[in-house]
Amino acid sequence: DADVTQTPRNRITKTGKRIMLECSQTKGHDRMYWYRQDPGLGLQLIYYSFDVKDINKGEISDGYSVSRQAQAKFSLSLESAIPNQTALYFCATSDSNPHEQFFGPGTRLTVL
Amino acid sequence: AQSVSQHNHHVILSEAASLELGCNYSYGGTVNLFWYVQYPGQHLQLLLKYFSGDPLVKGIKGFEAEFIKSKFSFNLRKPSVQWSDTAEYFCAVSRNAGNMLTFGGGTRLMVKP
Repeated sequence: DADVTQTPRNRITKTGKRIMLECSQTKGHDRMYWYRQDPGLGLQLIYYSFDVKDINKGEISDGYSVSRQAQAKFSLSLESAIPNQTALYFCATSDSNPHEQFFGPGTRLTVL
Repeated sequence: AQSVSQHNHHVILSEAASLELGCNYSYGGTVNLFWYVQYPGQHLQLLLKYFSGDPLVKGIKGFEAEFIKSKFSFNLRKPSVQWSDTAEYFCAVSRNAGNMLTFGGGTRLMVKP
């Protein structure tokens, strides 16, 4: 069974719609992350959380919000999707040490 | 701000050729270094990592990387590539405790059979 799961795996939506991407993990890690991947830019950090009551902005948080509902769940929301948010989104988890991150399978989001 | 540069965006090799992918970072302090691989349609997987000790690190599937502190580099190598190594490779760097991973832009490797 996968340790880090993401739903949905693919989503096509329209400009202005609200979208939620969900991430669950069974690794028992405290830290969770959301990244977006664009061709040639690698992965850019959107938000991260070190525990249930902790939320931090990453490099590119504008237009996104997150919720850490439980240790195992970390969801990413786009309140009003726009076309330049079309990307591949990855969730990741890590323990506090030694910083290795474990990635989910990704969600391919297309905003028309 | 810390940055990670992967100068080769696309690499095409024939099977059995040797591989070296470059990675340079800008931060001058203590760093942790990683190479991740993303096979077509799959998520990122850790190839190898360096935290301290021997600067020549061996990873999975015959890959290795050498940390050269004076050059701020952590290049990935493999003596003989296989078609199954076709993937995108990402270098990543983190600083001391609590700091986040910063990823390079990735290198797409295509190995021709």
